[in-house]
Amino acid sequence: DAGVIQSPRHEVTEMGQEVTLRCKPISGHNSLFWYRQTMMRGLELLIYFNNNVPIDDSGMPEDRFSAKMPNASFSTLKIQPSEPRDSAVYFCASSSSGAEAFFGQGTRLTVV
Amino acid sequence: AQSVTQLDSQVPVFEEAPVELRCNYSSSVSVYLFWYVQYPNQGLQLLLKYLSGSTLVKGINGFEAEFNKSQTSFHLRKPSVHISDTAEYFCAVHKGTDKLIFGTGTRLQVFP
Repeated sequence: DAGVIQSPRHEVTEMGQEVTLRCKPISGHNSLFWYRQTMMRGLELLIYFNNNVPIDDSGMPEDRFSAKMPNASFSTLKIQPSEPRDSAVYFCASSSSGAEAFFGQGTRLTVV
Repeated sequence: AQSVTQLDSQVPVFEEAPVELRCNYSSSVSVYLFWYVQYPNQGLQLLLKYLSGSTLVKGINGFEAEFNKSQTSFHLRKPSVHISDTAEYFCAVHKGTDKLIFGTGTRLQVFP
């Protein structure tokens, strides 16, 4: 298995633009997590899905952020409009129930 | 609610010395516990996990951790560190299919 695949690896965009981050979880995993990592706030859970259903989105910072999981093999995290303070590394992770989470390599987002 | 506390933000140590990275958790129910490592510009990688059974858990790269229910701790140890162990280490907890909660991380810096 290729592991959790995230794209793009790097994204530089201008303030106000829409940004879409993509994630392909490991086949057979039923939980998917989106995390954001910054120097100031560390690793924050934004949202997680179980069996494609959003279970907890309390970590989503504001309405500019949205996440979808249309099927078991794909998820997106969208920021619209983006702001400089959204600059961070965004990680996607997947797991089977009760097991460890496997992380992607992350997307480094820079909003200028 | 579950939470994880990593008491040390940075731990400097000389090569071949022993090291302990501390982690305490709070939960009213049984939990699963994990340690992850993050090398620069990479995603998180599982070091070891405690799900049940023996309280002493051995992981990759010579690391081990001990689950102590009475002290609600899951400290990570290695008897002799290498330069290559320099990285950020995260303790994490979750209950079954619940969300995975991470501590703030401990930066291990190994000096020659």
